[in-house]
Amino acid sequence: ETGVTQTPRHLVMGMTNKKSLKCEQHLGHNAMYWYKQSAKKPLELMFVYSLEERVENNSVPSRFSPECPNSSHLFLHLHTLQPEDSALYLCASSQGLHDPLEKLFFGSGTQLSVL
Amino acid sequence: GENVEQHPSTLSVQEGDSAVIKCTYSDSASNYFPWYKQELGKGPQLIIDIRSNVGEKKDQRIAVTLNKTAKHFSLHITETQPEDSAVYFCAASVLNNAGNMLTFGGGTRLMVKP
Repeated sequence: ETGVTQTPRHLVMGMTNKKSLKCEQHLGHNAMYWYKQSAKKPLELMFVYSLEERVENNSVPSRFSPECPNSSHLFLHLHTLQPEDSALYLCASSQGLHDPLEKLFFGSGTQLSVL
Repeated sequence: GENVEQHPSTLSVQEGDSAVIKCTYSDSASNYFPWYKQELGKGPQLIIDIRSNVGEKKDQRIAVTLNKTAKHFSLHITETQPEDSAVYFCAASVLNNAGNMLTFGGGTRLMVKP
């Protein structure tokens, strides 16, 4: 166990559905991240939150909407997705953002399929 | 921005042999280079890391080397075992306005044949 829990593990949704991914970290960290992992592509950083404030939005389409209500929880709200959005969505946390030796702790991910 | 290239994309070795995975980076300001291992059905987990002021670091059967001049770093696994089979990612940390951000390589799928 890494201390970062993601639910659900698997999600199948239609293009008109609205769903949410949840991430919870039990490590007392102050920064949380969403990454997208597609086949044969590097891990893509989507969003970064530090102390519940979004500090990075890596040109992600508006059909992905993050929410960080507190430093332990992170959500990714999904609506009107496209089939190409099918991927493994990984949540991660770190102690902070400004330590040059920052270590990321990842959850097991949500495998998303958009039909 | 930073760009990290990783080779090979797949690597198959016999149990007991060594495995080497190589990465290059583009931003000379990068100062932290971690390696992550991702097993099937799990998220990536940090296995070893190296700072820019160190040339080599070893932890039991795994070692990482860094050549700052050439901007490349490598992961070495000796005496490979079937449980080493996984996807390995290198990364480089670069400072931007938001803080230190990791850029990942494309991954190497390592298969260790018993």
